[in-house]
Amino acid sequence: QIVLTQSPAIMSASPGEKVTMTCSASSSVSYMHWYQQKSGTSPKRWIYDTSKLASGVPARFSGSGSGTSYSLTISSMEAEDAATYYCQQWSSNPPTFGAGTKLELK
Amino acid sequence: DVQLQESGPDLVKPSQSLSLTCTVTGYSITSGYSWHWIRQFPGNKLEWMGYIHYSGSTNYNPSLKSRISITRDTSKNQFFLQLNSVTTEDTATYYCARKDYRYDGFAYWGQGTLVTVSA
Repeated sequence: QIVLTQSPAIMSASPGEKVTMTCSASSSVSYMHWYQQKSGTSPKRWIYDTSKLASGVPARFSGSGSGTSYSLTISSMEAEDAATYYCQQWSSNPPTFGAGTKLELK
Repeated sequence: DVQLQESGPDLVKPSQSLSLTCTVTGYSITSGYSWHWIRQFPGNKLEWMGYIHYSGSTNYNPSLKSRISITRDTSKNQFFLQLNSVTTEDTATYYCARKDYRYDGFAYWGQGTLVTVSA
């Protein structure tokens, strides 16, 4: 199965700061999805098909990448963005998730 | 809008079977899409377990293939997870979810239910 490695595992950002987190796949994948999860709640689809924003996701979020390297970027950090973000692939069965990047507010 | 809700026992003894129900409202599970079980372990690792397609076909994670079964009751618009021979390693929060098209990801999730495996 494809292993997804997210980095960093934990990061913090100040309001207004640009944030970038990455997801590296052990084999090439065609697309990547990202989920946001806050404590005590279920994951929410955040970015799908590499770069499409889910409904209600602020435009300060973006996704990009190809092959084995994908990233999620926040152009200007806001307090509500503090959460854990998971990447997920299904180019190869079974679908797999990364271990997550925990984003904290500085 | 579609909503999913998990239900079932929150405590299961080792070697027994874990059985959960996902009740779907706002959309018929026979009309389209695929209906999944995903679990999240303490420590937050996410694992996809399997799905039942609207056609009734199923697909399971090979790591669970000998222990898992996903079925449905179309009259109640519910689908079910059965995991046999559980151990403490199966302690997790279990989510049901819906995936629409190939490139969509898991668009809808239930709130999750914590199942603890313990004697």
